[in-house]
Parts: sequence; C-alpha cells; structure tokens
Amino acid sequence: QVQLVQSGAEVKKPGALVKVSCKASGHTFTTSYIHWVRQAPGHGLEWMGVSNPTYTTAYAQSFQGRITMTRDTSTSTVYMELRSLRSEDTAVYYCSSGLGSIAVYWGQGTLVTVSS
Amino acid sequence: DIQMTQSPSSLSASVGDRVSITCRASQDISNYLAWFQQKPGKVPQLLIYAASTLQSGVPSRFSGSGSGTDFTLTISSLQPEDVATYYCQKYDNAPLTFGGGTRVEI
Repeated sequence: QVQLVQSGAEVKKPGALVKVSCKASGHTFTTSYIHWVRQAPGHGLEWMGVSNPTYTTAYAQSFQGRITMTRDTSTSTVYMELRSLRSEDTAVYYCSSGLGSIAVYWGQGTLVTVSS
Repeated sequence: DIQMTQSPSSLSASVGDRVSITCRASQDISNYLAWFQQKPGKVPQLLIYAASTLQSGVPSRFSGSGSGTDFTLTISSLQPEDVATYYCQKYDNAPLTFGGGTRVEI
C-alpha cells in the first residue's frame, strides 16, 4: 500500500532553516503530486505548497521566498526546505499525496520546534 | 485567493444526533471540495472528495453535498468515535486552502 515516511523531529534556532523529507512507496512517484501541510499547536491545517510530477512547484503566498520543494525521483523522496525560521513556524509538518491533488495518503508528521 | 469559511467553529451534540457542518467558498470551485477528519493527536484522514464521493472505508453515516460555493458535511447518526475536528479543503487550483475547522464534541 502507499506509504509516506517523513524524517524525524527537528529543533532549530530562529533564523535557521529546516529541511524535511518525505519518502514515498507503493505508488507511481513520477506521476504523484506531493503536498505539504502544517499545523501549529492548537491551530488548524495550513496548506504550504505542492511538488508536481513535472518538477514544477506552487507555494502558498505566505511562504513565498522562504520555501523550496524539491524531488528526487531516484529515491522517491520529496524535500521541503523552510528558511528564516521564526517561533511561529513551530508546527507539525505533513506531506500528503493521492488522487491528483486529493490528499488520500499522509505522512506521520514531523514536529519542527523553533526556539532560542 | 479563494477563502474557505466553515461554520460552526465548534458544536456539541448527543450520540445518535444528525450533525451538519457547512463550508463556503468565496468563489465558485465547482465540486473540487474534500472533507477531512482529524482526531486529537492523529493524522488527518480523507472522508469525502468531489464534494460527495465517500472515500473507501469511511462509514456510510458520513455524506457530503453541494457544489459551486456552498457545501455541507453531514453525519447522520453521531457516534462517540466521531469526536474530532473536521476540515474542508478546495483542490481546484493552488492554493489548496483549508477551512478553519469544526470541532465536534459529544
């Protein structure tokens, strides 16, 4: 079955960058859209962006200039890098995939804590 | 960008009650609307896509309706395991905005 396995929790200082990975298995990675969604403590879900199978990306306006998504077809892995971290970026970060842009499958989540 | 507004933000109901949650898009999104359930401390799970198509394995007490700008998620008979926060999401074009969520309690 389809599995998305994310990298482990991270603790970062303000101003640093974090790079979270999402390794896919069980489906055709080359045709999959991989989305990133985050959830701050006690808050709702926030869509961050998408890595398309054509190697193009689309990002939410609120992250423009700070986020980069890349994909490595050889390892079926998508990476999400977020720069210039601030305390408000403390959240659980999820990758998701599925039917086109429908998030059927989700990774287990990666907690990123930004603290001095 | 299209905004997604859910209401109510929270509700409390009894076991067996019929519960409805609404989601309104600021512009027409046809039927490109999904509903997710997130239980405390867990990963979100897809319930419904294309506004009214039940995801495989989801109990039939969940249903979705609507098109254009107004959508509804209905739980026909609320069960204790349905305690969760429910989110709508548009997926026609980026950005794939989520609604603010509706917390359902018993």
